[in-house]
Amino acid sequence: KQEVTQIPAALSVPEGENLVLNCSFTDSAIYNLQWFRQDPGKGLTSLLLIQSSQREQTSGRLNASLDKSSGRSTLYIAASQPGDSATYLCAVRQMEYGNKLVFGAGTILRVKS
Amino acid sequence: NAGVTQTPKFRVLKTGQSMTLLCAQDMNHEYMYWYRQDPGMGLRLIHYSVGEGTTAKGEVPDGYNVSRLKKQNFLLGLESAAPSQTSVYFCASSYTTGRSSYNEQFFGPGTRLTVL
Repeated sequence: KQEVTQIPAALSVPEGENLVLNCSFTDSAIYNLQWFRQDPGKGLTSLLLIQSSQREQTSGRLNASLDKSSGRSTLYIAASQPGDSATYLCAVRQMEYGNKLVFGAGTILRVKS
Repeated sequence: NAGVTQTPKFRVLKTGQSMTLLCAQDMNHEYMYWYRQDPGMGLRLIHYSVGEGTTAKGEVPDGYNVSRLKKQNFLLGLESAAPSQTSVYFCASSYTTGRSSYNEQFFGPGTRLTVL
């Protein structure tokens, strides 16, 4: 059974700092990996999607990498801002259950001004 | 395009009451999903549908039923609500399966349900 783990569970950093969020998964048979952002009481916003054949994706200050063989992904946020404060979720897409997403529990990020 | 919409946004039920959550998408997606999100547990799949008229069980289907009478709508029903079903419910949709690049899931804003 696929398990997705995110470390750390919570992170507090000063504004301007570069930071890395980690995601690991136990089964490398995935279609893709997706990073989401969730603001308190809100839905999920997709940040980056990395196909299983890709190594990384970039969008603005965000860069996500994927090492499928070792079951790891990282989300790098450059020059963090208070507006980046949110919960970040990692999810892998599997073949079973209609290609469902298996989610990690998330990392709660707080960027202090 | 409105994307994925969910109604209602909030609901409070008493134990034993029933209700239906509605999910609608205007992206002509084949696949639709219902997840629940509980604190510290991430999202878990309740039921899913691979096309109009078809539904299937996910990881945590007990206590829920679903229907997909129209391609754009996916309904989640609670026949007899229990406090354990207090959660935030998210609907999602995506293009068809396979290794296509069009297999991103798009999520609705969620429904916060409290069962007393």
